[in-house]
Amino acid sequence: NAGVMQNPRHLVRRRGQEARLRCSPMKGHSHVYWYRQLPEEGLKFMVYLQKENIIDESGMPKERFSAEFPKEGPSILRIQQVVRGDSAAYFCASSPVAGTNTGELFFGEGSRLTVL
Amino acid sequence: LAKTTQPISMDSYEGQEVNITCSHNNIATNDYITWYQQFPSQGPRFIIQGYKTKVTNEVASLFIPADRKSSTLSLPRVSLSDTAVYYCLVGDWALGGGADGLTFGKGTHLIIQP
Repeated sequence: NAGVMQNPRHLVRRRGQEARLRCSPMKGHSHVYWYRQLPEEGLKFMVYLQKENIIDESGMPKERFSAEFPKEGPSILRIQQVVRGDSAAYFCASSPVAGTNTGELFFGEGSRLTVL
Repeated sequence: LAKTTQPISMDSYEGQEVNITCSHNNIATNDYITWYQQFPSQGPRFIIQGYKTKVTNEVASLFIPADRKSSTLSLPRVSLSDTAVYYCLVGDWALGGGADGLTFGKGTHLIIQP
């Protein structure tokens, strides 16, 4: 049973370009979470999605950032017109259907974005 | 808002028992307490979760007093490979956690020495 798959693992962009980060949740998981981690910082919640729905995007910047989790395919975190401050590790996690109270999130290895 | 407070860093030695305490004074009735471990350049990994009293699994124990305003992660007989950042989270997972419950904070950087 493959774990959470994120790609690319490393991404380099110049200021003003777009970054797209993909996340395939574990098989059978319909909940996806995106986090951002700056160097020497903790993980900051960005957005929580279920298939075709954004449940909680309170941690995501209002501009330039968007996320989706389509019916088919991976979840995508999109950052438009990247700036140097967007350089960070972006982690995706998935969990089974809510209501189980297990609270266990399964994390991917992260995508490291570097903005030149 | 169930915010958590942990020590920034701790040091210990191989073979010792390590206890990391997390304060969560505003924990809500439906909130669970969950601990994660993160190694450099990796995603966090679930360690243990509890609601009250004591929970034990193959890697750790979690102690939660009756008032649930704090919790203690206990790692028995640590080794060098336990050097990592440990995060305490509090949230109502039945609702998907909620943004507050899914906030990791800076965690506790545990350093194990030979």
